[in-house]
Amino acid sequence: QVQLQESGPGLVKPSETLSLTCAVSGYSIGSGFYWGWNRQPPGKGLEWIGNIYYSGRTSYNPSLKSRVTISLDTSKNQFSLTLSSVTAADTAVYYCARVRGGGNGYGFDYWGQGTLVPVSS
Amino acid sequence: QSALTQPRSVSGSPGQSVAISCTGTSSDVGGYNYVSWYQQHPGKAPKFMIYDVIKRPSGVPDRFSGSKSGNTASLTISGLQAEDEADYYCCSYAGDYTWVFGGGTKVTVL
Repeated sequence: QVQLQESGPGLVKPSETLSLTCAVSGYSIGSGFYWGWNRQPPGKGLEWIGNIYYSGRTSYNPSLKSRVTISLDTSKNQFSLTLSSVTAADTAVYYCARVRGGGNGYGFDYWGQGTLVPVSS
Repeated sequence: QSALTQPRSVSGSPGQSVAISCTGTSSDVGGYNYVSWYQQHPGKAPKFMIYDVIKRPSGVPDRFSGSKSGNTASLTISGLQAEDEADYYCCSYAGDYTWVFGGGTKVTVL
């Protein structure tokens, strides 16, 4: 069974950089699939942040592209998100997910439990 | 890249059917047969319910079905049950390896 678990700081200050890691078990991330990040502000809907293919190719939400970086660490079987110059509007529950794309169909099939990241001074 | 449009809420009695619409554009919903649906209970992570418009992942009850016409996709829940009360989100592939979610719909079981 594929499992994902987010980890990172519980609080980020405005203008600083948010960094999260997603540890994956039950599947080797270097073997295939896309791996992605989504977020959900409190009481609001889901927003796609970006994905990374197992080969390292990335794609980002155009509205966040200038501030987002997603990377893979296959040696640790984990992938990471950094979001720079954060503001209160970036306060959200951040979810990591495995992303199907191609012959397996398209969609986010496995999700982490999510981690709330408040942005506040 | 604008969010897909979903009704804020729908409701139905146990045993009834409800349908949730998800409207996009020819650049996302209408351009690809890659619409997926997610169920989210309060405080929980979203659950993968439908993909590629009509396909159900293993373990999802066949009471849940998807369809699409033009730029609008739909999720239908037949034989509504109390445990179906949740928020539902649609999502579409939008080309160039990008994705877009809908605003979400709250389903209430009366």
